[in-house]
Amino acid sequence: EPEVTQTPSHQVTQMGQEVILRCVPISNHLYFYWYRQILGQKVEFLVSFYNNEISEKSEIFDDQFSVERPDGSNFTLKIRSTKLEDSAMYFCASNKAERRTEAFFGQGTRLTVV
Amino acid sequence: GEDVEQSLFLSVREGDSSVINCTYTDSSSTYLYWYKQEPGAGLQLLTYIFSNMDMKQDQRLTVLLNKKDKHLSLRIADTQTGDSAIYFCAENGGSSNTGKLIFGQGTTLQVKP
Repeated sequence: EPEVTQTPSHQVTQMGQEVILRCVPISNHLYFYWYRQILGQKVEFLVSFYNNEISEKSEIFDDQFSVERPDGSNFTLKIRSTKLEDSAMYFCASNKAERRTEAFFGQGTRLTVV
Repeated sequence: GEDVEQSLFLSVREGDSSVINCTYTDSSSTYLYWYKQEPGAGLQLLTYIFSNMDMKQDQRLTVLLNKKDKHLSLRIADTQTGDSAIYFCAENGGSSNTGKLIFGQGTTLQVKP
């Protein structure tokens, strides 16, 4: 069964460092998303991406964040200068069409900023 | 703005039915979802309901939607220990056309043998 894969599963980084979280969406999907879940809190939408551009972003997704689909298979989330409050589980998701039934989620990358 | 709320914890005995409740605020939602998260795993779509339906049954799962009260529930019949997980209610942010999901905070279901 096709699945969304994320790497690494856990990343520890020092405050102020740049991190790149990687995702391989399902191959025939066209819409891609990043969400995050701070421990004990809700899963929060960060950004959606379609046709090689951001289609929507939340207030959380400030200038420190960027997304890219560099090679037609990977979908990355970059955090330029990490802060302690960026520590969270980051989920990638993909979807065939924006209003269709299923968004498939990856298993998440736990980011710990120390 | 859009908001989804759930109770945080539910404990049931194996074999009993579980009912997990959710309320939402966005009346323009077109799809409402239930996701399951097992420890260390991602979010697995369990089931969904279109907003013009009031009930959907899928094996042991029954979803009830009261659109007037903006209330969604998930009933799990014959709950098993393997059903222990966090269950997230989500809606598709009807005012958005990008497919983003708005999640509740999740209900931890504990199934006692």
